[in-house]
Amino acid sequence: DIQMTQSPSSLSASVGDRVTITCRASQPINNYLHWYQQRPGKAPKLLIYTASRLQSGVPSRFSGGGSGTDFTLSISSLQPEDVATYYCQQSYSTPQNTFGQGTKLEIK
Amino acid sequence: EVQLVESGGGLVQPGGSLRLSCAASGFTFSGYAMTWVRQAPGKGLEWVSTIAGSGGTTFYADSVKGRFTISRDNSKNTLYLEMNSLRDEDTAVYYCARGAEQFDYWGQGTLVTVSS
Repeated sequence: DIQMTQSPSSLSASVGDRVTITCRASQPINNYLHWYQQRPGKAPKLLIYTASRLQSGVPSRFSGGGSGTDFTLSISSLQPEDVATYYCQQSYSTPQNTFGQGTKLEIK
Repeated sequence: EVQLVESGGGLVQPGGSLRLSCAASGFTFSGYAMTWVRQAPGKGLEWVSTIAGSGGTTFYADSVKGRFTISRDNSKNTLYLEMNSLRDEDTAVYYCARGAEQFDYWGQGTLVTVSS
């Protein structure tokens, strides 16, 4: 199975800060990497697909990058509504998809 | 507007059974693979099962293989998950989601609690 490891597990940042979350795959997955946002008590929401493509309706302050084994999700200017847990997910081994353990983002 | 609405969750004893449903609207249901993803309390997301748009091909996580059955009724725009021989570790919120690679729409989830 392909393992996905996110770092950090949690972080706290101020409104307006640039925030970056990292996701590492246990083997190369090309660009078959997607990012989700899960606000407290809500269902996950797709933010970024195939590593860098912004899902329709998602604010442009979100961006994704990387290929192979190392990927990033960045928020250019943190907003209060961005408080959530963020998950990466690989689909290289579809349908045996796997998720990272999540990164909990809070506001300082 | 795409909508996915799950139902059927509840409290069940270990070894028991439950059937979840996911009613879909706002898109051509038969044109999309559908997936179940679960989330144990306070934990991360776990892929459970995927079914092709036609219903002809199904896939399962090792943790549920032989106990869970995914199916769909394209005439009713509804996805199902039949869960048998339930265990404590199956306790989770179960989400249905559209797609097989990335999941672009999710339901609100239905809670399954396995406890005596």
